[in-house]
Amino acid sequence: GDSVTQMEGPVTLSEEAFLTINCTYTATGYPSLFWYVQYPGEGLQLLLKATKADDKGSNKGFEATYRKETTSFHLEKGSVQVSDSAVYFCALSNTNAGKSTFGDGTTLTVKP
Amino acid sequence: SAVISQKPSRDICQRGTSLTIQCQVDSQVTMMFWYRQQPGQSLTLIATANQGSEATYESGFVIDKFPISRPNLTFSTLTVSNMSPEDSSIYLCSVTGTGGEQYFGPGTRLTVT
Repeated sequence: GDSVTQMEGPVTLSEEAFLTINCTYTATGYPSLFWYVQYPGEGLQLLLKATKADDKGSNKGFEATYRKETTSFHLEKGSVQVSDSAVYFCALSNTNAGKSTFGDGTTLTVKP
Repeated sequence: SAVISQKPSRDICQRGTSLTIQCQVDSQVTMMFWYRQQPGQSLTLIATANQGSEATYESGFVIDKFPISRPNLTFSTLTVSNMSPEDSSIYLCSVTGTGGEQYFGPGTRLTVT
């Protein structure tokens, strides 16, 4: 079945550092890929998405490129802020059934 | 996008009792999903709730433990039955957007003592 593997956390960075959170997936066909973010005390919300190979999703300074050849969707940001501290989930959706498969989540803490 | 509300937002329940969680969506949707997020862990899909038919449960989840109702296209309930401390989790309702993305409710934080 489908699966998503995220780099293990937690990740601690200083403000303005470069962020990469790795995500790889296993799926048949051509899934859509997503990053979700969960800020402390808040619900899950969509951060960005990509629906086909070589698509780049972007939002709030975060980017991720759908790499079919490496089955990856790594999340990057050039300069993180304290307000980016949150849990980040990589996910895929692979069927018309509408459901998604999530990675284990990566906790990011950004220190001033 | 969709706006989803859940009730209650949190509850503390005793072992052996049941709790029903309500989920309301601001638009009509065919499928609604129930997830569980255990402390410090990822999301696990419990079941898919379709209006007018039985819910479809994922492996490891059964109807007797997690009965679901879906009386119309904007509302669903999930009951956590005969609770034990292992059921302590955040329970999330979601719907799917046009691009396959999930829109989540704020969650119900359940603690079983």
